Amino acid sequence: DSGVTQTPKHLITATGQRVTLRCSPRSGDLSVYWYQQSLDQGLQFLIQYYNGEERAKGNILERFSAQQFPDLHSELNLSSLELGDSALYFCASSVVEGAALGGYTFGSGTRLTVV
Amino acid sequence: AQSVTQPDIHITVSEGASLELRCNYSYGATPYLFWYVQSPGQGLQLLLKYFSGDTLVQGIKGFEAEFKRSQSSFNLRKPSVHWSDAAEYFCAVGPGYSTLTFGKGTMLLVSP
Repeated sequence: DSGVTQTPKHLITATGQRVTLRCSPRSGDLSVYWYQQSLDQGLQFLIQYYNGEERAKGNILERFSAQQFPDLHSELNLSSLELGDSALYFCASSVVEGAALGGYTFGSGTRLTVV
Repeated sequence: AQSVTQPDIHITVSEGASLELRCNYSYGATPYLFWYVQSPGQGLQLLLKYFSGDTLVQGIKGFEAEFKRSQSSFNLRKPSVHWSDAAEYFCAVGPGYSTLTFGKGTMLLVSP
């Protein structure tokens, strides 16, 4: 157990629907990162939060949004889902902003299947 | 912009043989470099990291990596591979204060 908790582990939904993925960072970590992993694109950075504030955006679609709450858990919202959104979504956390103090700690991911 | 290239998509190694996984990076300053391993159905686990100092770094599970600035490389090595090492390996690069960029991974297959 890495200490980063992601729920749900699996999600199957239909095109056009909206889903919410949840991440609880490791205790003491202030920064949360969301990554999308697909066979063709590999691990793509989506968005980063630090202590409740958005810090960096990567290849995140406008249909996707995220937030980090006061208790530091984060949610990734995916709307108007398309077949191509099917992927493994990872959350990672770190103590500080960035990997300087030892890299990221990853959760076990949420596998999203859009049918 | 930073980038990582892992030239080998798949590598097959016999159990007990040595292993080297290649990683080349592009980054404008001294990078923070990482190797992660992902077993099927699992998240990514940190194997080792390089920030500064000794260019040969030791990690968990008997892995080591060598930073070569002149070649922009950070190759992962293990002297004797075990069947349990079969997994996907990711190299990552970034500044210490911001997000990491990952390579597309190398799948390691271990043959008996």
